[in-house]
Amino acid sequence: NAGVTQTPKFRVLKTGQSMTLLCAQDMNHEYMYWYRQDPGMGLRLIHYSVGEGTTAKGEVPDGYNVSRLKKQNFLLGLESAAPSQTSVYFCASSTLQVPNQPQHFGDGTRLSIL
Amino acid sequence: DQQVKQNSPSLSVQEGRISILNCDYTNSMFDYFLWYKKYPAEGPTFLISISSIKDKNEDGRFTVFLNKSAKHLSLHIVPSQPGDSAVYFCAAIQGAQKLVFGQGTRLTINP
Repeated sequence: NAGVTQTPKFRVLKTGQSMTLLCAQDMNHEYMYWYRQDPGMGLRLIHYSVGEGTTAKGEVPDGYNVSRLKKQNFLLGLESAAPSQTSVYFCASSTLQVPNQPQHFGDGTRLSIL
Repeated sequence: DQQVKQNSPSLSVQEGRISILNCDYTNSMFDYFLWYKKYPAEGPTFLISISSIKDKNEDGRFTVFLNKSAKHLSLHIVPSQPGDSAVYFCAAIQGAQKLVFGQGTRLTINP
């Protein structure tokens, strides 16, 4: 059972470069999410999707874009990377409209912007 | 505006004793509260949850207590084991599945 898979696991970028983080889930979940984790800040929601073809902004969306063209994939893009975007990024997925069903997380992507 | 707060960045407990992790929240509209456990280089994994209409939920060695009047919840681990050493995140949900996380507490279980 793969669950939620994130690629790549590590990446170093220079300021101004662009990249896309890929999240894939094999649990047929409707909801998918992108978080960032910074020291002392917990996990903060960047963007999320309630279904294929839909996306919405979370708590910290600036500087990021997302796309959900297929139900199983959720892409997070950085168009022009900035040092403030150095963080660990987590993708998660969950079932539809069931509050007590937990989100399932990937193992994260550690991104450093120089 | 930190809606979910874990005021203790770290906690050290002796193996076999009780670990108590605390969490405070400000939004009285939260429906469910969850605890996640995170090991280094891994994603958070779900541990236990509690509905806002309950005051206690138990699962093996883990019990979560909710005090709505104080807007406070706690996770009790009894007895604590070395494998429990991890970062624990408290989280809350209101409505359509948008989790709000606390800052996390690093629990260390000493032999």
